[in-house]
Amino acid sequence: QQQVKQSPQSLIVQKGGISIINCAYENTAFDYFPWYQQFPGKGPALLIAIRPDVSEKKEGRFTISFNKSAKQFSLHIMDSQPGDSATYFCAASNLSNDYKLSFGAGTTVTVRA
Amino acid sequence: EPEVTQTPSHQVTQMGQEVILRCVPISNHLYFYWYRQILGQKVEFLVSFYNNEISEKSEIFDDQFSVERPDGSNFTLKIRSTKLEDSAMYFCASSGEPYEQYFGPGTRLTVT
Repeated sequence: QQQVKQSPQSLIVQKGGISIINCAYENTAFDYFPWYQQFPGKGPALLIAIRPDVSEKKEGRFTISFNKSAKQFSLHIMDSQPGDSATYFCAASNLSNDYKLSFGAGTTVTVRA
Repeated sequence: EPEVTQTPSHQVTQMGQEVILRCVPISNHLYFYWYRQILGQKVEFLVSFYNNEISEKSEIFDDQFSVERPDGSNFTLKIRSTKLEDSAMYFCASSGEPYEQYFGPGTRLTVT
C-alpha cells in the first residue's frame, strides 16, 4: 500500500521562480508531515514539518500548505536558488501509534541559473 | 551542531556474509531508526528502537536482520546472511521526541 503519493517526479524551475511539490496521503491517522531535502550521496535532511492543527507553516523561503479534508500537503519553495537543486521527500507518521516515517517517492528539483 | 554519524560509508560484501552497520546517534536522543533506500527509490522504514527494544519493524525486517545498542552511544544493524537484494543505502536516524528524525549520511551496502 502506497501510503504517501508524491508528484511530480521531477521539475525544472528558473532561478527566482517557485517550486511546488504535492503529496497526498491515505492514512487519516497520520498527524505529522515533514519534508526532507536530500543531496546526492547524503542522508535526508529535515527541512520543515507541519502538524494537522495548522493549515500553513513558513520557514524562510519554504512553506508547507496543508489541507486536512483533502488529505494533501505541499511544499512551496519561493525564490528558488541553484543551491536548492536536490531531491525532496515528503513523509508522514502517526505520532500516537508508532514513529516510523512513510516517505513519498521523491521529487528531483533542478533550479536553472 | 550535533549530527548522526555512520560507519562505514561503503561496505562491499559477498552474498551470504554477515555485515554490521554502525551508527552513533545524537547523544541525548532516545529513539533510533534504520531506513534503507534502494538506488533511485524512496526511503523505506526498517525498524525503530526505544528503551532498548524494538518498537516497530517493517515486513522487510525479517529474521536476517537484528539491531542492537551495545553501549550508550552506538546503534547497530546486523544482516546475518546478505542477499543481492540487500544492496542499498542504509540510513540511521535518531530523534529526541518521537518526531524530528535526524538522518545520518548513510552506509552504501553492495552485495556481490
